[in-house]
Amino acid sequence: QQQVKQSPQSLIVQKGGISIINCAYENTAFDYFPWYQQFPGKGPALLIAIRPDVSEKKEGRFTISFNKSAKQFSLHIMDSQPGDSATYFCAASIRAGSYQLTFGKGTKLSVIP
Amino acid sequence: NAGVTQTPKFQVLKTGQSMTLQCAQDMNHEYMSWYRQDPGMGLRLIHYSVGAGITDQGEVPNGYNVSRSTTEDFPLRLLSAAPSQTSVYFCASSYLPPGLGQPQHFGDGTRLSIL
Repeated sequence: QQQVKQSPQSLIVQKGGISIINCAYENTAFDYFPWYQQFPGKGPALLIAIRPDVSEKKEGRFTISFNKSAKQFSLHIMDSQPGDSATYFCAASIRAGSYQLTFGKGTKLSVIP
Repeated sequence: NAGVTQTPKFQVLKTGQSMTLQCAQDMNHEYMSWYRQDPGMGLRLIHYSVGAGITDQGEVPNGYNVSRSTTEDFPLRLLSAAPSQTSVYFCASSYLPPGLGQPQHFGDGTRLSIL
């Protein structure tokens, strides 16, 4: 049973455009939602994270939007650059009582000049 | 600034062989974990450890064994390799468990092929 569903599987965006990746979760106990960025041949690295007590978090060109009632969250990359081309994973975890991080299946983003 | 070091980077095995994937971190992190990454499947947790001497199973533990004798090292053992275990394996560590907001520090992976 997949607990975090991520879409789209792949995304092509022109340089300067907005990239949007969506995730939906089922377990209402989840209360920590990070996004990881992975370049080819490398391990994932934390990009940005949010807790459900806020609806939006922004760090530079990267923004997480969170909709608790819909059990959905999304990553927006503004002014997308070729250097943003990577695979992005959403994830979810529970603050207390769990030591596990559940990942979505990933979105391969290609930003073309 | 080594971070999380995984060895080997590449390995080819024959079905039935056993091997150990090494993971070492130099950040004094208590929490360590192993994931496998398969195309279109994301990262799936195999085993994790919350400190020396303490390990537990993740989502896909069958066919794998772990132990944690020191804070620094968390090896993953394949007992009898099967083609279904062909994958990229990532080790990760953090000071506290991921639900407490700690970023997971990943190694660069071991690419394993089972023939």
